[in-house]
Amino acid sequence: DAGVIQSPRHEVTEMGQEVTLRCKPISGHNSLFWYRQTMMRGLELLIYFNNNVPIDDSGMPEDRFSAKMPNASFSTLKIQPSEPRDSAVYFCASSWRAASSYEQYFGPGTRLTVT
Amino acid sequence: DAKTTQPNSMESNEEEPVHLPCNHSTISGTDYIHWYRQLPSQGPEYVIHGLTSNVNNRMASLAIAEDRKSSTLILHRATLRDAAVYYCILRDELVGGATNKLIFGTGTLLAVQP
Repeated sequence: DAGVIQSPRHEVTEMGQEVTLRCKPISGHNSLFWYRQTMMRGLELLIYFNNNVPIDDSGMPEDRFSAKMPNASFSTLKIQPSEPRDSAVYFCASSWRAASSYEQYFGPGTRLTVT
Repeated sequence: DAKTTQPNSMESNEEEPVHLPCNHSTISGTDYIHWYRQLPSQGPEYVIHGLTSNVNNRMASLAIAEDRKSSTLILHRATLRDAAVYYCILRDELVGGATNKLIFGTGTLLAVQP
């Protein structure tokens, strides 16, 4: 299995631009998570989906952030408009909810820099 | 969400055992104890989890106190590749038929000396 795939791996954009981060979860997994990691705030859960349905988006910082999961094999996290304080590493993770461990598998992350 | 407390950093020598402590005095009866680690420039990876009994797997052992208010992750022989941030996390099994939400704290930065 290729694991969780994220693209792009690096993104540099100017303030005010729209940014779209993409994630392909592990085949067969039915839960998907988006996290953000910064030095100041550590690793924060932004939103998670079960069976393509958003379950908890309480971690989404503000209306500029939106996430979708149109099918079981693809999810996007969009920031519009982007701001310098959005600079962070964004991780996507997936898991098989019925498994006893609920082990989450993380992707390699997307490093976003907003100038 | 129940809170965990871990030392900010620890040091170990290569090929020696490492005991990483975690306090979770407000743990509830339905909270599972999960450990993840994050190697430099990588996403977190699952290490081990348990509820009441001690657990072993190929990566580590998890020792859980009888009152469940603390636990210890044991790496039996540290290698340089074990240098990482180790996170101790509580996951509530009960809410709505089980939530698989994990709340990461600041973790313990483990340095391994050759």
